[in-house]
Amino acid sequence: EVQLVESGGGLVQPGRSLRLSCAASGFTFDDYAMHWVRQAPGKGLEWVSGISWNSGSIGYADSVKGRFTISRDNAKNSLYLQMNSLRAEDTALYYCAKDTSPLHRTLFDYWGQGTLVTVSS
Amino acid sequence: SYVLTQPPSVSVAPGQTARITCGGNNIGSKSVHWYQQKPGQAPVLVVYDDSDRPSGIPERFSGSNSGNTATLTISRVEAGDEADYYCQVWDSSSDHPDVVFGGGTKLTVL
Repeated sequence: EVQLVESGGGLVQPGRSLRLSCAASGFTFDDYAMHWVRQAPGKGLEWVSGISWNSGSIGYADSVKGRFTISRDNAKNSLYLQMNSLRAEDTALYYCAKDTSPLHRTLFDYWGQGTLVTVSS
Repeated sequence: SYVLTQPPSVSVAPGQTARITCGGNNIGSKSVHWYQQKPGQAPVLVVYDDSDRPSGIPERFSGSNSGNTATLTISRVEAGDEADYYCQVWDSSSDHPDVVFGGGTKLTVL
């Protein structure tokens, strides 16, 4: 059974940093690209970032480019999102999502339950 | 940037057919995926590549895509289908490829 478990969310002040993690199990992690997708309270889905199976191809939404960094450790079956210079508008539930392809097919067949990030003073 | 437009809400009686549209410029040339999200839960893929269903998704869920509109059709709607539905594409038409979601449609089963 595929499982994606996010962690690392919490309350953080504007301008500070936070690192999210996603622990994957139930599939061969390094066979697939992985993504972060977020959802602000009461709002729709927004893709944040994606990374190919070997970290050779990485993409970011314009809204986070230059502030967020995605990475993965295939030996640990883990996905990460380093979030710097956080803003109030980054407040959201952050989902880890599995791609169906090693590269950026951007079709998300499994999602975690999300970790909540709240940016507020 | 590419924009996907969905109606905010659709209402349908049990047993009837619900159609949720997703509008975008020449969307028929793209692969459209649909996700169902129930309150407090993570999204679930219900249709991919315009009209294919993942294993475990009932045949009542189907999709089509042509011209400027993609459509998710839910036949014989049940109370358990009440949820938010999002369409999604990969837009590679610009010099900055991007994942685009529609704004979502709340399906209410009357």
